Amino acid sequence: QKEVEQDPGPLSVPEGAIVSLNCTYSNSAFQYFMWYRQYSRKGPELLMYTYSSGNKEDGRFTAQVDKSSKYISLFIRDSQPSDSATYLCAMVDTGRRALTFGSGTRLQVQP
Amino acid sequence: EAGVAQSPRYKIIEKRQSVAFWCNPISGHATLYWYQQILGQGPKLLIQFQNNGVVDDSQLPKDRFSAERLKGVDSTLKIQPAKLEDSAVYLCASSGMASSGSPDTQYFGPGTRLTVL
Repeated sequence: QKEVEQDPGPLSVPEGAIVSLNCTYSNSAFQYFMWYRQYSRKGPELLMYTYSSGNKEDGRFTAQVDKSSKYISLFIRDSQPSDSATYLCAMVDTGRRALTFGSGTRLQVQP
Repeated sequence: EAGVAQSPRYKIIEKRQSVAFWCNPISGHATLYWYQQILGQGPKLLIQFQNNGVVDDSQLPKDRFSAERLKGVDSTLKIQPAKLEDSAVYLCASSGMASSGSPDTQYFGPGTRLTVL
């Protein structure tokens, strides 16, 4: 079993839709939960991170963590064609600094 | 602020050949990471340096992969000899000192796309 599971998609939505991206994990030691966006032929870039269970909002993006269920989500409101990319969840456990990534979900927002 | 630089951007080699990748991190960043990203998968850590010392190389295939970070700045990753399954994007990332209660923010370079034939 992988430490982090993520549906690879692809996920295709019309412009303006609300997008929900999800990951599950098995390692209880994970403390920080991040979402990265990766455009084609580019390196990942950090969108946002959360530390504890609950919600965190940044513009059109909301990250949600449920540690009891080992489940994290990223919601994108009013999705735009420029949001078309692969979204990677990533996690860090106590004592380490390197990231454990999910496999990524490819999102396509249709104009 | 200049980002993480990597070269070459693309490399095609035959199996059993050797190849080297170069990374220049963001100025002042003490921690440097090399990740391998196979098509359709998330990046997987190969090695982590703190200044010029190795912090974590538990997932580095040491029989064929080697990495060094001379003087705690630039880094090179080498594969010798390459196998077909080494075809992937090799990403370099760097991070500075995290503030209290925050994780390190890792900044990634564009990667080197390796094709082994």
